[in-house]
Amino acid sequence: IQLTQSPSSLSASVGDRVTITCRASQGISSYLAWYQQKPGKAPKLLIYAASTLQSGVPSRFSGSGSGTDFTLTISSLQPEDFATYYCQQLNSYSLTFGPGTKVDIK
Amino acid sequence: EVQLVQSGAEVKKPGESLKISCKGSGYSFTSYWIGWVRQMPGKGLEWMGIIYPGDSDTRYSPSFQGQVTISADKSISTAYLQWSSLKASDTAMYYCARLIAVAGVLVFDYWGQGTLVTVSS
Repeated sequence: IQLTQSPSSLSASVGDRVTITCRASQGISSYLAWYQQKPGKAPKLLIYAASTLQSGVPSRFSGSGSGTDFTLTISSLQPEDFATYYCQQLNSYSLTFGPGTKVDIK
Repeated sequence: EVQLVQSGAEVKKPGESLKISCKGSGYSFTSYWIGWVRQMPGKGLEWMGIIYPGDSDTRYSPSFQGQVTISADKSISTAYLQWSSLKASDTAMYYCARLIAVAGVLVFDYWGQGTLVTVSS
């Protein structure tokens, strides 16, 4: 199963609403997670099962979708949200990451 | 507190062997899968494989099958990633992460700090 993300990068301002899309090459039900990675740091789990927020993650992050099309939305971008975001599909111990979307400051 | 602590950075020559480690603490090490993820310089995340320390059941990504070996020593709560003959293209940051099942979905919830491997002649 292959994952694609769009856009590959975007520039946004603090306070903007940001939406990132992840598309799977075949249906994966809701077996999708989103991670945030800042430069020089390990990835951090944000959302799993497509829409469930990991404990401690701010509520401005949300996820939706099922089957092949998924979105990660940041409702009001904060300075600490500038990072790269990866989706990951989780299917029978085969775990594929998307190529990533870099969010930087406009 | 769950922690995964990885071994330090390595500089090796092509053809050399290497084994890096990931020590878990703060949870039952034998009850959760541990995975390894590669990140080449300036690139994205690539899943390499996972191991269940309880019985050493191991699954590899097709891209890494035969290229690396994943193992674990449950007596010291440590997982390993090893190469028998390194190549320059193995230069990357390597992360270990704990894999859990939440609401029927598998996710990496805790990550190590990463081990930078540099292979250069």
